[in-house]
Amino acid sequence: IAGITQAPTSQILAAGRSMTLRCTQDMRHNAMYWYRQDLGLGLRLIHYSNTAGTTGKGEVPDGYSVSRANTADFPLTLASAVPSQTSVYFCASSDSGGAYEQFFGPGTRLTVL
Amino acid sequence: GQNIDQPTEMTATEGAIVQINCTYQTSGFNGLFWYQQHAGEAPTFLSYNVLDGLEEKGRFSSFLSRSKGYSYLLLKELQMKDSASYLCAVRDGDYKLSFGAGTTVTVRA
Repeated sequence: IAGITQAPTSQILAAGRSMTLRCTQDMRHNAMYWYRQDLGLGLRLIHYSNTAGTTGKGEVPDGYSVSRANTADFPLTLASAVPSQTSVYFCASSDSGGAYEQFFGPGTRLTVL
Repeated sequence: GQNIDQPTEMTATEGAIVQINCTYQTSGFNGLFWYQQHAGEAPTFLSYNVLDGLEEKGRFSSFLSRSKGYSYLLLKELQMKDSASYLCAVRDGDYKLSFGAGTTVTVRA
């Protein structure tokens, strides 16, 4: 692995189903983030983690949960998907608790029908 | 919270210069970032300003005025590969980023 990876690349999900988006980085960054990107709205922060074992809510956290069991992984879970969660989801990481620039994963395109 | 404004679209000719403005209103300021995002790809870091003034990196320069809540990204000697969205992002005191909606730049031959 080089950098930050996300899985799956894309997914179509029935409303009401649960889904976990995976994010893994091998840069040993302590801070990680989840964003959603919607046309005309830009990137909006869902949840973040400044270090393993801690998480925080961003601008649009409702309907999403995260965990940070170790430095490398930061999964995002949708417990019961709704159509308004159709979006492109980007995971990012940064060194020194966010003091440096964020590096972004390739994204997951999620469609909820 | 943060309120970040940038133009939606800009068009320029290959070899020309384009300036993308970004204004922000913030409850806490700890730096301003510019990212480039090609269609269907992830954002990539371009520049960072935390003090007033101009930062130059090759064909790209970024300027910041904290007192005016204003930044711009200057792209010189435009190339076709510069066609992309450019995202202005403000970092708060907790090191979280708030992004503008992005400016789509189209470079014409």
